[in-house]
Amino acid sequence: EAGVVQSPRYKIIEKKQPVAFWCNPISGHNTLYWYRQNLGQGPELLIRYENEEAVDDSQLPKDRFSAERLKGVDSTLKIQPAELGDSAVYLCASSFGRAEAFFGQGTRLTVV
Amino acid sequence: AQSVTQLGSHVSVSEGALVLLRCNYSSSVPPYLFWYVQYPNQGLQLLLKYTSAATLVKGINGFEAEFKKSETSFHLTKPSAHMSDAAEYFCALFLTNTGNQFYFGTGTSLTVIP
Repeated sequence: EAGVVQSPRYKIIEKKQPVAFWCNPISGHNTLYWYRQNLGQGPELLIRYENEEAVDDSQLPKDRFSAERLKGVDSTLKIQPAELGDSAVYLCASSFGRAEAFFGQGTRLTVV
Repeated sequence: AQSVTQLGSHVSVSEGALVLLRCNYSSSVPPYLFWYVQYPNQGLQLLLKYTSAATLVKGINGFEAEFKKSETSFHLTKPSAHMSDAAEYFCALFLTNTGNQFYFGTGTSLTVIP
């Protein structure tokens, strides 16, 4: 069974440019999470979806970040415009019910 | 408020020595607890989980953890460290009373000295 797939693995952009990340969760997993992980820190939740509904986006900087999960499967996370402080690893995870979350390999974003 | 505290951001052990990574949690409801490992440039991989069954939980790669409610702890141990254990380890608290929400600690970087 395929795990959580994220793309791209690495992205370097100039500040003020837009960027998008894509996540394909494990088949059948209704919960999808986007986390941001700064260097030397633990993951911090950006947004959580239950099926296609964003049920927790309280930590998402809505002035520049947006996310969608069409049809309750794949999800995209967008930043527009990117700032230097957005440099981090963006992790997608999925789970089913009260089971553990499975993580993708992440997208390392560098904003220059 | 719910939280996870990992004591010691960096731990060094000699190869073959005991590994002990500490995790304490705060939760107003019975918790689910997890340990994840992260290798460089990789996502998080589940090591083991506590879901209110046995308090001593065995995981992959020889790791185990014991849930102690009285101490609000869930420390991770391995009897004999291997070079391949060098990685970042995260303790996570999972709560369902406010939706399916994970709370991660800040991580412990494990170095194994040959």
